Amino acid sequence: GAGVSQSPSNKVTEKGKDVELRCDPISGHTALYWYRQSLGQGLEFLIYFQGNSAPDKSGLPSDRFSAERTGGSVSTLTIQRTQQEDSAVYLCASSLGLKGGNYGYTFGSGTRLTVV
Amino acid sequence: KQEVTQIPAALSVPEGENLVLNCSFTDSAIYNLQWFRQDPGKGLTSLLLIQSSQREQTSGRLNASLDKSSGRSTLYIAASQPGDSATYLCAVPTSGTYKYIFGTGTRLKVLA
Repeated sequence: GAGVSQSPSNKVTEKGKDVELRCDPISGHTALYWYRQSLGQGLEFLIYFQGNSAPDKSGLPSDRFSAERTGGSVSTLTIQRTQQEDSAVYLCASSLGLKGGNYGYTFGSGTRLTVV
Repeated sequence: KQEVTQIPAALSVPEGENLVLNCSFTDSAIYNLQWFRQDPGKGLTSLLLIQSSQREQTSGRLNASLDKSSGRSTLYIAASQPGDSATYLCAVPTSGTYKYIFGTGTRLKVLA
């Protein structure tokens, strides 16, 4: 697509429920990143996919968080048993990300998650 | 460990002023540096990407410079307008990776 697409744009869920957030990167971008931005805070790295390599999950805050990327394209971030502290804007970005390359990020508009 | 600091945290200026936003980072082994703009409740829009071999990049009224050796970048905004009001973020990759570390941003308000 022309840009990075995220859905839903807003999600309100009850504490304890599972949620799935979707990211559709720019066509041809091999790298995909998930970040989280809590109210008034900076961007927190969550997970990074590069091509067919094993993802870098070093930023996932707990085992309730997981992500997958199917066919090297669309990614889904899943949060199980949501807690109120999970409330944040979840941002996805993609890049050409070739090893040794110098390509920047393009971000989607984000999913605003509210856990009540 | 890469750390990114942005100064000032907030800035309020009258329309027409030329502005300087500062970004400093601790690890100079970076592939590039990227400046973003974030409007309230929105995602991030890329403004400028400076490769490690470059010293500056320009786009319209925006000019970003990079001094890797001193771990600094500046974003110049010429003839500021109310539409420039937003939070400006700089980001650099952590050493040897493509994961960006973001500064906490400079919140800019340009008064008409």
